[in-house]
Amino acid sequence: DGGITQSPKYLFRKEGQNVTLSCEQNLNHDAMYWYRQDPGQGLRLIYYSQIVNDFQKGDIAEGYSVSREKKESFPLTVTSAQKNPTAFYLCASSVQGGSPYEQYFGPGTRLTVT
Amino acid sequence: AQTVTQSQPEMSVQEAETVTLSCTYDTSESDYYLFWYKQPPSRQMILVIRQEAYKQQNATENRFSVNFQKAAKSFSLKISDSQLGDAAMYFCAYRSYLYNTNAGKSTFGDGTTLTVKP
Repeated sequence: DGGITQSPKYLFRKEGQNVTLSCEQNLNHDAMYWYRQDPGQGLRLIYYSQIVNDFQKGDIAEGYSVSREKKESFPLTVTSAQKNPTAFYLCASSVQGGSPYEQYFGPGTRLTVT
Repeated sequence: AQTVTQSQPEMSVQEAETVTLSCTYDTSESDYYLFWYKQPPSRQMILVIRQEAYKQQNATENRFSVNFQKAAKSFSLKISDSQLGDAAMYFCAYRSYLYNTNAGKSTFGDGTTLTVKP
C-alpha cells in the first residue's frame, strides 16, 4: 500500500538537543511538506520541497532545517534554536500539479522537549 | 496571501442529526481548490471532501456535502445522519490552482471540534 510514514510516533528530547523527524513516502509524489500543529490550532507550514535537492521556507521556518536528498524522503531537524519545539509535526506530500489535488498526510510525530 | 477562517471552535450534534460547519476564505485568485479534512483522536489527517472552484456543482461524498458560495467566499460542510465516528476536529483548507507559484501549499483554518452525542 502506498502512503507516508513518520517515525517515531512519540519523541522526547532534552532542551538544547537537536532532533530529526523522519518522513518517507512511496506515493511517487514530487512535493513534500512539513507542518506544525499546536493544541487547538490549525496547521502551520514549516518547509516544503517541490523537487529533490531543493526546498523553501514556509511561514515558521526559524529553528528548523530540512534536506531532500531523495524523492522519497524529507527529514526535518528541530534545532536548539527553536524556542518552543514541543508540538505535533505532520508530514505531507502531493503530486506536482494536476489531480489528485489534495495533500496526503503521514500519521504525525509528537515531539516533547523538556 | 490567502486566509481561511473557521468561526466555530466547537460544535456538537446529536447522533443521526445534521450539522453544518462553517468556513470562509479570502483570496484574489479565481481558480483554486477547497478541502475539508477530518482529524480524529488518532490525529491522522483524512480527506473528507474536495471542491474545485471552477465547478458550480457542490461536491458530495455519501453523508458529507458542501455548500460552496464562490462570490461570498464561503465553503461550509454539512454532515447528515451524524455518527459517533464523525467526532473529530475538522479543518477547512485552501489550495491555489497556480502550482508553479504556490507549490501546492495549503492554507488551513484553525479547525472546528465536532462532538457527537449518543
